Amino acid sequence: ETGVTQSPTHLIKTRGQQVTLRCSSQSGHNTVSWYQQALGQGPQFIFQYYREEENGRGNFPPRFSGLQFPNYSSELNVNALELDDSALYLCASSPSGGSQYFGPGTRLTVL
Amino acid sequence: AQRVTQPEKLLSVFKGAPVELKCNYSYSGSPELFWYVQYSRQRLQLLLRHISRESIKGFTADLNKGETSFHLKKPFAQEEDSAMYYCALHVYNQGGKLIFGQGTELSVKP
Repeated sequence: ETGVTQSPTHLIKTRGQQVTLRCSSQSGHNTVSWYQQALGQGPQFIFQYYREEENGRGNFPPRFSGLQFPNYSSELNVNALELDDSALYLCASSPSGGSQYFGPGTRLTVL
Repeated sequence: AQRVTQPEKLLSVFKGAPVELKCNYSYSGSPELFWYVQYSRQRLQLLLRHISRESIKGFTADLNKGETSFHLKKPFAQEEDSAMYYCALHVYNQGGKLIFGQGTELSVKP
């Protein structure tokens, strides 16, 4: 069974640019959640997708957007990058109502 | 307000000593709580889910609704238990999000 995978591993962008992060969910999981983890902090919920629809959103501005595809993989898009967007971005997949399993994360640095 | 608090940023114990990692929560509904662990250079892994009442790697956690706590315990710490531990609250009415505490770094010395 393949676990949750994320790409890329690391990314460096400059302020004002746009970025797309990708996540492949674990086999059999139809729900994907995205989290932002700043240095020294616990992960913070960005949003969740269930069967290609946004199913809940945390306290993040609209420049954070996402997609889920028919195979349940997902993308996180961030527009107009700011320095504070530098963080580890985590994707987690789960079966409906089940426990969330995390990918290794994408480390984003905004200069 | 929905909140998870882990009061200790760092907990240092000697091998063989008992360990208790504290977690307190604030939630108006019926809570579902988890412990996640992150070993060095590894991904966040699910350690315990309170409703399953399992013991994983010798760790246990009991939900105390009166004290709104979900402390993680192990009677005899091992060096390989050194890691970052996160307590998380599952909130169903907002897309099933997890609210995490800030984490406690456990260091087990030989």
